[in-house]
Amino acid sequence: GESVGLHLPTLSVQEGDNSIINCAYSNSASDYFIWYKQESGKGPQFIIDIRSNMDKRQGQRVTVLLNKTVKHLSLQIAATQPGDSAVYFCAENERYQLTFGKGTKLSVIP
Amino acid sequence: GAGVSQSPSNKVTEKGKDVELRCDPISGHTALYWYRQSLGQGLEFLIYFQGNSAPDKSGLPSDRFSAERTGGSVSTLTIQRTQQEDSAVYLCASSFQQGNYGYTFGSGTRLTVV
Repeated sequence: GESVGLHLPTLSVQEGDNSIINCAYSNSASDYFIWYKQESGKGPQFIIDIRSNMDKRQGQRVTVLLNKTVKHLSLQIAATQPGDSAVYFCAENERYQLTFGKGTKLSVIP
Repeated sequence: GAGVSQSPSNKVTEKGKDVELRCDPISGHTALYWYRQSLGQGLEFLIYFQGNSAPDKSGLPSDRFSAERTGGSVSTLTIQRTQQEDSAVYLCASSFQQGNYGYTFGSGTRLTVV
């Protein structure tokens, strides 16, 4: 079946640098995508979302880019901080179900 | 409450025993979801409730798994005759309505079957 996946399972960045987390999706009919952050022992926390009629959306220190041509999503975190250390999941919405990728672990080096 | 509440936060059970996991969604949220997260994995959809409609049980992995939602609020996920492969974190989420994608997740119940 179709699925959502991630290119890199782990990512280490220096504090203050920008982070980029990538995600590939295969369901070309998906019209809505979400990035979640999950800290140890907690449930996933919504970060930012984007609909398929957009190619970029910005939040506070985060930007999501959507390239429908190659079915690729990315999450950019500006000025990465130690508190950004977590596992990041992309998810696509199929009707009312979210299909999640495996996640990327982001480690911030002080 | 202010968020989605799940209990217990941790549960250790012996193989073959039944377990019940509870989810209290955000007040007023009509949609409720259960997901399972195995170690180092993404989230696997289990079941979805929307208002008084029949639930979507298409993600339940076997007939040992069942879920109820009473009064359109609290939900209980029951696993009968637990197996070691059932060990995982079980996450509940709620949203205001179907089609509103603003899911709020609880912190989950970590189930360990020994």
